[in-house]
Amino acid sequence: EVQLVQSGAEVKKPGESLKISCKGSGYNFPSYWVAWVRQMSGKDLELMGIIYPHDSETRYTPSFQGQVTISADKSINTAYLQWSSLKASDTAMYYCAREEQQLATFDYWGQGTLVTVSS
Amino acid sequence: QSALTQPPSASGSPGQSVTISCTGTSSDVGFYNYVSWYQQHPGKAPKLMIYEVTKRPSGVPDRFSGSKSGNTASLTVSGLQPEDEADYYCSSYVASNNWVFGTGTKVTVL
Repeated sequence: EVQLVQSGAEVKKPGESLKISCKGSGYNFPSYWVAWVRQMSGKDLELMGIIYPHDSETRYTPSFQGQVTISADKSINTAYLQWSSLKASDTAMYYCAREEQQLATFDYWGQGTLVTVSS
Repeated sequence: QSALTQPPSASGSPGQSVTISCTGTSSDVGFYNYVSWYQQHPGKAPKLMIYEVTKRPSGVPDRFSGSKSGNTASLTVSGLQPEDEADYYCSSYVASNNWVFGTGTKVTVL
């Protein structure tokens, strides 16, 4: 069974750093792109970027370039999303999702990680 | 890349049909046959319901169907069930491993 399991909810202060994770199982993790998607206040879904764990090739949506870092460790089937200095506006739910490349769709999603940034 | 445009809400009584539109441009919806639809219940992750405009993943009821005409894609839910009450988002591939999502539609079963 394909699963993406994300790390738990986080509460941070502005300026702090954070790294959240997404662990895949039940499939050949390195061979599928993994995307990170932001959802603020239960509204729009926004693609932040996508990574190919096999060689860590990463592509960012322009509005997120330089704001976050996406990485992966294929040896432990895990993708990451990190911030070096959080802002209150980073408060959101973050999902990872597997891209089924042949179908250009996101067929499996993690359960989401809620990040709250507040002083 | 601007978000695809969806109506904020749609509704229908049990057993009726509801259709949700998703309007993009000739660079996304109109160019690629890679439109997907996702269902999201409150507090849950999105779930893939339709891919490649018309195809249903295994396990998705055939009450859900997709179509496309020009720059507008549509999702139809026939024979509405109470469990179909959820938010629905469309998405389209826009090249170079990039996608754009729709603004979301809240479907209410009356």
